Amino acid sequence: DAGVTQSPTHLIKTRGQQVTLRCSPKSGHDTVSWYQQALGQGPQFIFQYYEEEERQRGNFPDRFSGHQFPNYSSELNVNALLLGDSALYLCASRLAGTGVDIQYFGAGTRLSVL
Amino acid sequence: GQQLNQSPQSMFIQEGEDVSMNCTSSSIFNTWLWYKQDPGEGPVLLIALYKAGELTSNGRLTAQFGITRKDSFLNISASIPSDVGIYFCAGPFNYGQNFVFGPGTRLSVLP
Repeated sequence: DAGVTQSPTHLIKTRGQQVTLRCSPKSGHDTVSWYQQALGQGPQFIFQYYEEEERQRGNFPDRFSGHQFPNYSSELNVNALLLGDSALYLCASRLAGTGVDIQYFGAGTRLSVL
Repeated sequence: GQQLNQSPQSMFIQEGEDVSMNCTSSSIFNTWLWYKQDPGEGPVLLIALYKAGELTSNGRLTAQFGITRKDSFLNISASIPSDVGIYFCAGPFNYGQNFVFGPGTRLSVLP
């Protein structure tokens, strides 16, 4: 049973470019959340997707957008990249209706913006 | 917004020693979670606490939910090299659908 998988593992972009990160949730999970983890800090909540809709959003600008597909996988898109967008982007999945602690994280995508 | 503080920021200990770290908040939480993150990996849940005063163990790890509901503590007994990593506390927001993380405590274990 595969856990949460994310791709790519590493990515290098330049300022102003756009990037798409992908996440496949753990088998049986239907809710996906995205987090940004800057170097030396804890993860920060970006948004959550359930039933192909954005359900909750953290304090991130509209340059950050996402999508969830019918198979529950999800994408995170970031437009007009800034140097400050360099971070580890984590995806977490869970099954709706279960407790808040039953959330599994992927290994993340390391994004470097030059 | 809600913010969690963790102390110490980092610590170096000898293998076999016990470790204590804590997490504080300006807001009341109804749940406290403790995660560990290894290099190149996502956070892994260690212990979840649901009730003020609760003391919960997971092997050599013991965590406590503070009486004020504004703090939590994590203890590791008889540390081993694989305890190296970053330990995060986290608390739920938005009706428990997602959570806020502390900045982490980085633990190094010296042989």
